[in-house]
Amino acid sequence: GAVVSQHPSRVICKSGTSVKIECRSLDFQATTMFWYRQFPKQSLMLMATSNEGSKATYEQGVEKDKFLINHASLTLSTLTVTSAHPEDSSFYICSARVGGKSDTQYFGPGTRLTVL
Amino acid sequence: DAKTTQPPSMDCAEGRAANLPCNHSTISGNEYVYWYRQIHSQGPQYIIHGLKNNETNEMASLIITEDRKSSTLILPHATLRDTAVYYCIVRSNNAGNMLTFGGGTRLMVKP
Repeated sequence: GAVVSQHPSRVICKSGTSVKIECRSLDFQATTMFWYRQFPKQSLMLMATSNEGSKATYEQGVEKDKFLINHASLTLSTLTVTSAHPEDSSFYICSARVGGKSDTQYFGPGTRLTVL
Repeated sequence: DAKTTQPPSMDCAEGRAANLPCNHSTISGNEYVYWYRQIHSQGPQYIIHGLKNNETNEMASLIITEDRKSSTLILPHATLRDTAVYYCIVRSNNAGNMLTFGGGTRLMVKP
């Protein structure tokens, strides 16, 4: 299957700082990438849909000015958590869509963010 | 996208087949059934998907009923490493369509 990487895998930061998470499709081009967030013992919740070369579409309740998404190329999308607070501590997961006949999303390994 | 219903948890003996059911009674004609699994603290892993015919790959088999209102994911010979949360998701393949995750089934494979 297609491979999606995320970096970093784990980050600890102080409250008020910004954190950037990278999502890369390693062996395919992805015009659409998705960002999810998962709190402990809960399911994945979609945050936003990222389309290459255009503005991201955010789900209801997700602050676009706090969670900045940039999809500058067909293989890279970034999520920046600005002015992070402890309640932003979560597991952030990206996925990339492979279109065509076998329309499937492949997920990255996730990034564990802890805000102190 | 149609909602799915899965049992919250299941146990399976190592080496036996694991049969994970999913109900999707409101599925529409252009919606596919996707299965993913998530092992603790990892991103979800794609398993298989289908529209109306049964599908098989190296990981699992997907059996979809004729009326498409339910399906079963079969892991033919479960191992301890198959312990995970399994998600059944129904969605159409329109451009940009995201996956909506429900609660899934927590499969525990026991020795």
